[in-house]
Amino acid sequence: DQQVKQNSPSLSVQEGRISILNCDYTNSMFDYFLWYKKYPAEGPTFLISISSIKDKNEDGRFTVFLNKSAKHLSLHIVPSQPGDSAVYFCAASEANAGGTSYGKLTFGQGTILTVHP
Amino acid sequence: EAEVAQSPRYKITEKSQAVAFWCDPISGHATLYWYRQILGQGPELLVQFQDESVVDDSQLPKDRFSAERLKGVDSTLKIQPAELGDSAMYLCASSVEAGNNEQFFGPGTRLTVL
Repeated sequence: DQQVKQNSPSLSVQEGRISILNCDYTNSMFDYFLWYKKYPAEGPTFLISISSIKDKNEDGRFTVFLNKSAKHLSLHIVPSQPGDSAVYFCAASEANAGGTSYGKLTFGQGTILTVHP
Repeated sequence: EAEVAQSPRYKITEKSQAVAFWCDPISGHATLYWYRQILGQGPELLVQFQDESVVDDSQLPKDRFSAERLKGVDSTLKIQPAELGDSAMYLCASSVEAGNNEQFFGPGTRLTVL
């Protein structure tokens, strides 16, 4: 049972254009969402996150949008740069009864982003 | 900049052999995680430590996998005996505490079982 899904295995965009990566989830208990970027032969690195009390979070060229009713989030990269070419993972965590995070992240399958010069 | 260290980076072994992976988290990080990433999939949590205690090992195949963090600092993940299906990337991550969602990952150990 895949609780976090990234249905697009790959995405190719032109340098300077917008990249939109999508993620869907099924677990209603998820309340915190993160995007990680991974280069070959390296571990994932944290990119941006969003709490379920927000619907948008922005950090420079990166913006994450959350639609709780649709259980959908997206990562927008504007403008896209060749150095953004990597695998992008969506991840989610849920809070325990006390309202703090369990810490465990559930990841999607990843989307390979290629930005062409 | 502080990093999570892992060794070895690559390991090739034959099935039925024993293998061990080591992880040194960022200094001061109380929570340590071991993930397994099969090619084409996202990382999947195997075990989570809070200091030296296991807080989640529900996805750890306990018949062949073991993990320890004896002094609450570095950690070892062991597989005995290794099977062909264990070929994957084994990632270690750490965070300041379990309630802090931002996890910092090491470079991983690529295991190939022949």
